[in-house]
Amino acid sequence: AQSVTQLGSHVSVSEGALVLLRCNYSSSVPPYLFWYVQYPNQGLQLLLKYTTGATLVKGINGFEAEFKKSETSFHLTKPSAHMSDAAEYFCAVSRGGFSGGYNKLIFGAGTRLAVHP
Amino acid sequence: EAQVTQNPRYLITVTGKKLTVTCSQNMNHEYMSWYRQDPGLGLRQIYYSMNVEVTDKGDVPEGYKVSRKEKRNFPLILESPSPNQTSLYFCASSLLGQGNTGELFFGEGSRLTVL
Repeated sequence: AQSVTQLGSHVSVSEGALVLLRCNYSSSVPPYLFWYVQYPNQGLQLLLKYTTGATLVKGINGFEAEFKKSETSFHLTKPSAHMSDAAEYFCAVSRGGFSGGYNKLIFGAGTRLAVHP
Repeated sequence: EAQVTQNPRYLITVTGKKLTVTCSQNMNHEYMSWYRQDPGLGLRQIYYSMNVEVTDKGDVPEGYKVSRKEKRNFPLILESPSPNQTSLYFCASSLLGQGNTGELFFGEGSRLTVL
């Protein structure tokens, strides 16, 4: 079975500081990995995804994540935090396949990012 | 504009009063799914559908029903709501088939309170 663990339910950084949100997964098959962001009172928006190929993935708003198979990790980073980055971030894994397994995302519990001046 | 639309966005109801949350997508997606979001638990899948008249249970289906009579619509039905169904609900959709990477497109959410 697949699962996702996000370390730290709350992370607080200063504006301009490095953002690091941790995600570890377990999967018995090569995973597809995603980071979604949820701003207050909004739905989830895709930040970035890893499917195959290059393990360093760049997303929107300056975020990137690196797939490390040996560590079963997919941590999200941004070099310099902005106040507008304050939101909840979800890591997710899918199993892949054409039967609909592609599309079943297993989500982590989420990490709420606070950015202070 | 490509979107997934849910209604209502907010609803307060009482135990046992049947309700339906509608979901509609305009992207011609085959796959649609319902998730509930609870603090500390992330999002958990309730039901999903791979096409018209094809639905199946997710991880937390108890107390819910769905139907898929048209490709664009996937309503979530609570026949007899209970307080433990108080939650934030999300509808999502995506393509199926070759080239699909499983990315889901989400609606804005429906916050349901059952008293």
